[in-house]
Amino acid sequence: EIVMTQSPATLSVSPGERATLSCRASQSVSSNLAWYQQTPGQAPRLLIYGASTRATGIPARFSGSGSGTEFTLTISSLQAEDFAVYYCQQYNNWPPGTFGQGTKVEVK
Amino acid sequence: EVPLVESGGVVVQPGGSLRLSCAASGFTFDDYTMHWVRQAPGKGLEWVSLISWDGGNTFYADSVKGRFTISRDNSKNSLYLQLNSLRTEDTALYYCAKDVNREDTAMVFDYWGQGTLVTVSS
Repeated sequence: EIVMTQSPATLSVSPGERATLSCRASQSVSSNLAWYQQTPGQAPRLLIYGASTRATGIPARFSGSGSGTEFTLTISSLQAEDFAVYYCQQYNNWPPGTFGQGTKVEVK
Repeated sequence: EVPLVESGGVVVQPGGSLRLSCAASGFTFDDYTMHWVRQAPGKGLEWVSLISWDGGNTFYADSVKGRFTISRDNSKNSLYLQLNSLRTEDTALYYCAKDVNREDTAMVFDYWGQGTLVTVSS
């Protein structure tokens, strides 16, 4: 089973600043990597798939990059609604489609 | 919008059983693979099971294999998860989720329900 490791566990950022989240796979997952956002009390929301393709309705301030084992989610200018937990998920080798443990983006 | 509405979550004793349901609308249900994903309280996400659009293929996480059974009724736009031999570690919010690909399985989840809570406790 592929293990996904996200860093940091918590990221403290001021509104309007850039946030950079990392995700590492224990073996190559090619570009089969998705990112999800989960705000408190809500279901996860798909942000990015194919490592860099934004899902329908996702603002352009969210961007994804990487391939193989190293991936990055960048939020260019944090808005109030962006403070949340973010999960990466590989779907190159399934089942299962393993998730990372999450990165919490909090207000600095 | 793609409403997915889960139901059936309850408090159950270890060793017990229950069935979760997910009612779907807003898309052609029988064109899409459907999934169950769970989240233990305060923890991350864990994929549980999938069923292909036609019901012909099912897969399970090792943690639930042999205890959980996924099914669907395309005539009712409904997804189900039968949970047997429940353990305390099965306590979680169970989400149903739609796969992003039509008549294929990507293991990417583009729409999620709000979840139904299963609590396994004596």
